[in-house]
Amino acid sequence: GESVGLHLPTLSVQEGDNSIINCAYSNSASDYFIWYKQESGKGPQFIIDIRSNMDKRQGQRVTVLLNKTVKHLSLQIAATQPGDSAVYFCAENSGSSYKLIFGSGTRLLVRP
Amino acid sequence: SAVISQKPSRDICQRGTSLTIQCQVDSQVTMMFWYRQQPGQSLTLIATANQGSEATYESGFVIDKFPISRPNLTFSTLTVSNMSPEDSSIYLCSYRGSSEAFFGQGTRLTVV
Repeated sequence: GESVGLHLPTLSVQEGDNSIINCAYSNSASDYFIWYKQESGKGPQFIIDIRSNMDKRQGQRVTVLLNKTVKHLSLQIAATQPGDSAVYFCAENSGSSYKLIFGSGTRLLVRP
Repeated sequence: SAVISQKPSRDICQRGTSLTIQCQVDSQVTMMFWYRQQPGQSLTLIATANQGSEATYESGFVIDKFPISRPNLTFSTLTVSNMSPEDSSIYLCSYRGSSEAFFGQGTRLTVV
């Protein structure tokens, strides 16, 4: 099938293991961050977000960690499933702007 | 969230021709955004489309190459003009909700 992740960094994990996807952002003024999942042939789909007044936020099987000191964001997926295979992007936004700026992305492959 | 749809979902076009991509949202939204996703890469913002005014283009994108219309609060079009193989990409429209952005499924353009 088609893929938008042919040249992206790839993380390969065993089904059932936890996955950690990392993202570095550049704008110290960014105060809102989002993780998106993009499956082949589809647009990005919202997973979880976090504001800069927090350092951790949990969703269903996903956790986002924010380290503003080093401008680093991570997405943790618990008990990774085959359906989690996709490309994952972080995006940042500063309060003064309506624009989302996307990071470079990571392709997650889940081995059965 | 409103449903956002794009058409065509894909097209193969001859170089030198133009293609207009349509984006429809099923409720009124203030800002709509157009992104380009080159093969194996992340999303890059092309422009912001506001109803009743000219689109605002990001650095590296110009109106002559990517004219945008926004005739009402539920619809926008992006035209890719005088296409070359370098324009082969996925083009995505988007709108911002209260926080996160929502995306169409994308238009996969191949220029031959």
